[in-house]
Amino acid sequence: IAGITQAPTSQILAAGRRMTLRCTQDMRHNAMYWYRQDLGLGLRLIHYSNTAGTTGKGEVPDGYSVSRANTDDFPLTLASAVPSQTSVYFCASSDGDGRPDTQYFGPGTRLTVL
Amino acid sequence: GQNIDQPTEMTATEGAIVQINCTYQTSGFNGLFWYQQHAGEAPTFLSYNVLDGLEEKGRFSSFLSRSKGYSYLLLKELQMKDSASYLCAAMDSNYQLIWGAGTKLIIKP
Repeated sequence: IAGITQAPTSQILAAGRRMTLRCTQDMRHNAMYWYRQDLGLGLRLIHYSNTAGTTGKGEVPDGYSVSRANTDDFPLTLASAVPSQTSVYFCASSDGDGRPDTQYFGPGTRLTVL
Repeated sequence: GQNIDQPTEMTATEGAIVQINCTYQTSGFNGLFWYQQHAGEAPTFLSYNVLDGLEEKGRFSSFLSRSKGYSYLLLKELQMKDSASYLCAAMDSNYQLIWGAGTKLIIKP
């Protein structure tokens, strides 16, 4: 079934540890996104990629990095996790051909930083 | 600045009609999206409006007024499975989505 997968589903992490959240899509979408969702706040964009080989910063990029080596994969790395990064992280993708298009979301990763 | 406002929570009765409002302010505008999100799950696409007027899709309809920076999602014949959060998002001039905090809809029997 086509779609987006994320791993892990959930994780508890000690502060200061490095963590990579994985995201893979098989829809051959050009654009991919990482959001965090916190209670009482809207989805906030962390980083995005309009096409393989390019990335850009969103609204809340500090403490996170991404790479886009190919079309399908878009990993998000927390270099040194802090408790304020406790959140639910969603990866999304869209056609990204420069016109308004629908974003499709993965199932999310629930991250707790202690 | 860019901003999306929608009510935090609404309650409605099974079989009834509910309207969820959303006002937006963005740098440029490339359309208004509505997503549904059940608890613990990912957001799923419901509707997209870029022109003024009403778009109907089964039990769900979405309305847009660009001059007023206003949209609403209308849900008819409410079912218990419609209990979810409804997210309003406006697309800005850079084709980035600006999200509201979501409206939690509670359906009572």
